[in-house]
Amino acid sequence: KNEVEQSPQNLTAQEGEFITINCSYSVGISALHWLQQHPGGGIVSLFMLSSGKKKHGRLIATINIQEKHSSLHITASHPRDSAVYICAAQKTSYDKVIFGPGTSLSVIP
Amino acid sequence: EPEVTQTPSHQVTQMGQEVILRCVPISNHLYFYWYRQILGQKVEFLVSFYNNEISEKSEIFDDQFSVERPDGSNFTLKIRSTKLEDSAMYFCASSQTGGGLFFGEGSRLTVL
Repeated sequence: KNEVEQSPQNLTAQEGEFITINCSYSVGISALHWLQQHPGGGIVSLFMLSSGKKKHGRLIATINIQEKHSSLHITASHPRDSAVYICAAQKTSYDKVIFGPGTSLSVIP
Repeated sequence: EPEVTQTPSHQVTQMGQEVILRCVPISNHLYFYWYRQILGQKVEFLVSFYNNEISEKSEIFDDQFSVERPDGSNFTLKIRSTKLEDSAMYFCASSQTGGGLFFGEGSRLTVL
């Protein structure tokens, strides 16, 4: 069983739509990371969460530690948001991160 | 903004050749990592490094792989005798205790 799962695997949205990507994990963690990867490109860290909710621009990330679940929301989606969004769990603050499989998002104009 | 830099961005090599991938982590970070991503697959952990030694390694990180921090700034991943299945994107990352995780742009390795 994978320690970090994501849904959906693929997502196509119309520009302007509200998007939610879900992540569930089975391990105890100190932090949950949301990352963005563009095709053929590097990995950019969007959020690091240990509790509650964080917001940056049109992106919102939430985490429920008891339920071992996190969500990434994108408001007013734009074609430039098209990328793979990856959830990754970190057991301690210096431990490796365990990557989820990623959610491929395509936002159509 | 500080960043992790990796070189080369793309390397093509013949099977059996040695490859060294280089990373310059963020200067005050203490924890360093290598990950790899085979095309179309998820990112996999290879090795973590702290206090000049390996703190954890995965099953992938066999005797063909080694890491080194030769001069206090560079962090290198060496593959001694490359195989076709080593073709992947290799990512370096660094972090501080309790801080965020910063990734480099990746080094694409193609083994022919």
